[in-house]
Amino acid sequence: QQQVKQSPQSLIVQKGGISIINCAYENTAFDYFPWYQQFPGKGPALLIAIRPDVSEKKEGRFTISFNKSAKQFSLHIMDSQPGDSATYFCAASSRSGYSTLTFGKGTMLLVSP
Amino acid sequence: DTEVTQTPKHLVMGMTNKKSLKCEQHMGHRAMYWYKQKAKKPPELMFVYSYEKLSINESVPSRFSPECPNSSLLNLHLHALQPEDSALYLCASSQEGGQGRPEAFFGQGTRLTVV
Repeated sequence: QQQVKQSPQSLIVQKGGISIINCAYENTAFDYFPWYQQFPGKGPALLIAIRPDVSEKKEGRFTISFNKSAKQFSLHIMDSQPGDSATYFCAASSRSGYSTLTFGKGTMLLVSP
Repeated sequence: DTEVTQTPKHLVMGMTNKKSLKCEQHMGHRAMYWYKQKAKKPPELMFVYSYEKLSINESVPSRFSPECPNSSLLNLHLHALQPEDSALYLCASSQEGGQGRPEAFFGQGTRLTVV
């Protein structure tokens, strides 16, 4: 059972455009939702994260939007740059004492020059 | 400093070999994790250590044996692996969840190839 569904699987965006990646979850016990960025051959790097008590969080060009009632959250990358080309994973965890992350399947983003 | 260091970066081993992966963090985190990541797939949780005690084992085969010698170090001992075990092995750490800081930080991984 896939507990975090992520779409699209791949995304091509022009430089300067907005990249949008969506995730939906099923487990209402999830209360922490991070996004990770991963370059080939590297480990995932924490990009931005949100808790369900806020509807939006912004850090630089990256924004998470969160809809608790719909059990959906999304990552927006404004002014996308070629250096943003990477695989992005959404994830979720619950306050069980550990950060055991349930990941979405990932989105390969390509920002064309 | 949010650094988790893994060694080696690359490892090639035969199916009869015994090898170990190492992970180190100096962020004072008391929870440490091993994840396995196959190509074009998300990381999958293998083990969780909390306060140096094994807390979660996600039904991982016994040819993978974790060890947490102290709060900063995590090892993964490998023995009699199969070619399908070839993957990127990721270590991560976080503060113990009850402290309200669930951010997990990953190392760069060890690219393991079993021949």
